Amino acid sequence: DAMVIQNPRYQVTQFGKPVTLSCSQTLNHNVMYWYQQKSSQAPKLLFHYYDKDFNNEADTPDNFQSRRPNTSFCFLDIRSPGLGDAAMYLCATSRERGFTEAFFGQGTRLTVV
Amino acid sequence: ILNVEQSPQSLHVQEGDSTNFTCSFPSSNFYALHWYRWETAKSPEALFVMTLNGDEKKKGRISATLNTKEGYSYLYIKGSQPEDSATYLCASFYSNYQLIWGAGTKLIIKP
Repeated sequence: DAMVIQNPRYQVTQFGKPVTLSCSQTLNHNVMYWYQQKSSQAPKLLFHYYDKDFNNEADTPDNFQSRRPNTSFCFLDIRSPGLGDAAMYLCATSRERGFTEAFFGQGTRLTVV
Repeated sequence: ILNVEQSPQSLHVQEGDSTNFTCSFPSSNFYALHWYRWETAKSPEALFVMTLNGDEKKKGRISATLNTKEGYSYLYIKGSQPEDSATYLCASFYSNYQLIWGAGTKLIIKP
């Protein structure tokens, strides 16, 4: 059974129209991450939660926001998607930061039209 | 800015041959090195997490070594099979809690 589930798998949104991607986990892990990956590039960490503690990366645009209402769920909100935001968005969890393996969802492929 | 380099970017290997590729990372304030396999249309899957200099880990036909002093890790695949075709990602974790990812090595096994 999938342990980290992302919805939807594919999302098409209009330029400037807010969009929300969701991630849920059944592992009860403390840490949840959101990554952005564009083809042939390294995954770029946008932010992560350690429990309820939100950690934003310094270079993550303000256009990207996140919510973690409980341990199991985490959302990525893109307030005004631009063409440059088209990418694969990966959610991952881990028991602890960095020292334990991460478990990934299958990703959401975002297209901006 | 910390940078993790993986080489080669892509690799074609004949089925049955063994292969290896490299992850290079800054060694200062290093805590841990991760390897993941990412098959097309699937989630990235953890292979190894290593912390100690000289560490060697093995999972079936896949093994990895770690040199924290010089800042590199090798991933080895023995007797490549078609199911080994994937992108292999490494990520390096530091004392400031940053986890820095490489861009991956894309491995294609030719039957």
